[in-house]
Amino acid sequence: DAGITQSPRHKVTETGTPVTLRCHQTENHRYMYWYRQDPGHGLRLIHYSYGVKDTDKGEVSDGYSVSRSKTEDFLLTLESATSSQTSVYFCAISEPSSGNTIYFGEGSWLTVV
Amino acid sequence: GIQVEQSPPDLILQEGANSTLRCNFSDSVNNLQWFHQNPWGQLINLFYIPSGTKQNGRLSATTVATERYSLLYISSSQTTDSGVYFCAVENQAGTALIFGKGTTLSVSS
Repeated sequence: DAGITQSPRHKVTETGTPVTLRCHQTENHRYMYWYRQDPGHGLRLIHYSYGVKDTDKGEVSDGYSVSRSKTEDFLLTLESATSSQTSVYFCAISEPSSGNTIYFGEGSWLTVV
Repeated sequence: GIQVEQSPPDLILQEGANSTLRCNFSDSVNNLQWFHQNPWGQLINLFYIPSGTKQNGRLSATTVATERYSLLYISSSQTTDSGVYFCAVENQAGTALIFGKGTTLSVSS
């Protein structure tokens, strides 16, 4: 157990509304990630963070923003949700000192109607 | 960017059979990991294996970095092995993992 909690685990929202997903970790890991998983695409990186206030874009970052004001929390925000953002979102952590082995949270199922 | 291809895309086995899953990648890597996603969606890290061979129970993995591929072996498969197996390699910047599209394994009793 890597001590990762995602919230909410399930959410249905309407097109055009803002949505924030939270990832909370308890073990002080430096790196945190947000991935989305869609059929036929596997897991794709949205954004990642390598420290407090240090974030960067992944391959599918359009329409998403992130913030990391504390080591333990990494927030993913959809400013104006669209149906194409219906997906399962996974948060992950890694620690460079352990070879960057990645551990995932349990996922957040988001449906945009 | 780096490309990751997994084969086969789907695999159906009878309980007790052995299987080999393959991961090819397009560039040299310092970090390669295998994951299992169970039918409930949970992603479990199986191996961190940038090179060489590792074993964990009925599972083992081998990465031949010079030839840009990795293999995951599952012996004496069980129904609980069902799910999707992902290979992931580190991107060029060394900042994140890039995933293949996975191999879906179904083991029937």
